[in-house]
Amino acid sequence: DAGVIQSPRHEVTEMGQEVTLRCKPISGHDYLFWYRQTMMRGLELLIYFNNNVPIDDSGMPEDRFSAKMPNASFSTLKIQPSEPRDSAVYFCASSPNLGGVGEQPQHFGDGTRLSIL
Amino acid sequence: GESVGLHLPTLSVQEGDNSIINCAYSNSASDYFIWYKQESGKGPQFIIDIRSNMDKRQGQRVTVLLNKTVKHLSLQIAATQPGDSAVYFCAENDQAGTALIFGKGTTLSVSS
Repeated sequence: DAGVIQSPRHEVTEMGQEVTLRCKPISGHDYLFWYRQTMMRGLELLIYFNNNVPIDDSGMPEDRFSAKMPNASFSTLKIQPSEPRDSAVYFCASSPNLGGVGEQPQHFGDGTRLSIL
Repeated sequence: GESVGLHLPTLSVQEGDNSIINCAYSNSASDYFIWYKQESGKGPQFIIDIRSNMDKRQGQRVTVLLNKTVKHLSLQIAATQPGDSAVYFCAENDQAGTALIFGKGTTLSVSS
């Protein structure tokens, strides 16, 4: 079975540039999550979707960050303009809609390692 | 606010030993808990989960114990192997209807 697929795996860009991270969730999963992982703050939830609708974006750091899910098989996380403090590993995860958002395991992609110079 | 924490940031064991990784949680209303394993350069990988109506659950070489009285969760790995070396995270849904909250992780190092 294909797991959660993220692209690119690595991204290096200069500050001020727009960055777009992509995610394909596991087919049939209704929840999609975006996380950021750093040494200092660990794994932080940025936003999650249910059936393509954003449910909780309270973890999005600021207006420079935006996320979309135009269909059940694709989501993007965009940073514009990017800053060096955005450097981190960004993970996408998905889970089935059985019992609610916090009641089933989330399955993670292998992440995008983002470096903003 | 509520948080999920771990007692030890690192754990070093010899190959073949049993490992115990601990996790404390603060919200007695949490009813679902998960352990994840994260290897270098990869995303967290689901190991085992447990619901609050249970106090023990076993998988292949792993056992999760839940003590709701003291709000403590542990992951036991039997006959630890070098391939078990990774960072282990516990996670909980600390309020009904919320997404999972992850602890900071314990690094397990297995030497042969």
